[in-house]
Amino acid sequence: QITLKESGPTLVKPTQTLTLTCTFSGFSLSTNRVGVGWIRQPPGKALEWLAIIYWDDDKRYSPSLETRLTITKGTSKNQVVLTMTNMDPVDTATYYCAHRRALLNAMDAFDIWGQGTMVTVSS
Amino acid sequence: EIVLTQSPATLSLSPGERATLSCRASQSVGSYLAWYQQKPGQAPRLLIYDASSRAPDIPARFSGGGSGTDFTLTISSLEPEDFAVYYCQQRSNWPRITFGQGTRLEI
Repeated sequence: QITLKESGPTLVKPTQTLTLTCTFSGFSLSTNRVGVGWIRQPPGKALEWLAIIYWDDDKRYSPSLETRLTITKGTSKNQVVLTMTNMDPVDTATYYCAHRRALLNAMDAFDIWGQGTMVTVSS
Repeated sequence: EIVLTQSPATLSLSPGERATLSCRASQSVGSYLAWYQQKPGQAPRLLIYDASSRAPDIPARFSGGGSGTDFTLTISSLEPEDFAVYYCQQRSNWPRITFGQGTRLEI
């Protein structure tokens, strides 16, 4: 059974750096075609994709946020870490990590999601 | 940058009726399109991937179609638990992934 859980601060100040950790079980990020993505959702608004890391350590980012984001495999083999610099109140959102379904083709579809963690940016 | 436009923004229907949701891409994405359902306070749930393949445990009343730039999600006969927000999502070379703005399906 695949599970994911996000962890990190619930409150950050403007200009600070946010570090979120996704701790997962039930799969290995070294298995072919597996990936983990980050998606956020401001209150009452739509989903916004942030970043994805693949089994081969390939990384892709949202163009609008690329300069502020870094996604890495954690020091523990079952973790993925997302950092976002220069946080602003508009970054207030629920942040989700999700498992990329290991399809035979190149499609990126997220079949298992964490519960999400709410991050508020305020001084 | 590929933009996904979902229509309508809100769809008002009754249980038992058929729902048809639309997602249009600004450029061709082939069949690299997925649909998600999200209920209040919950994470999204994958319904459809590769435009028309149902994810495991998704009821047969959900079906997806289309290719290129025009896609549809059809719910053949609405159940009370189907009233939620639906998002489409594409995969391309750049940007890798984008979501549509969502369609709210309300009773």
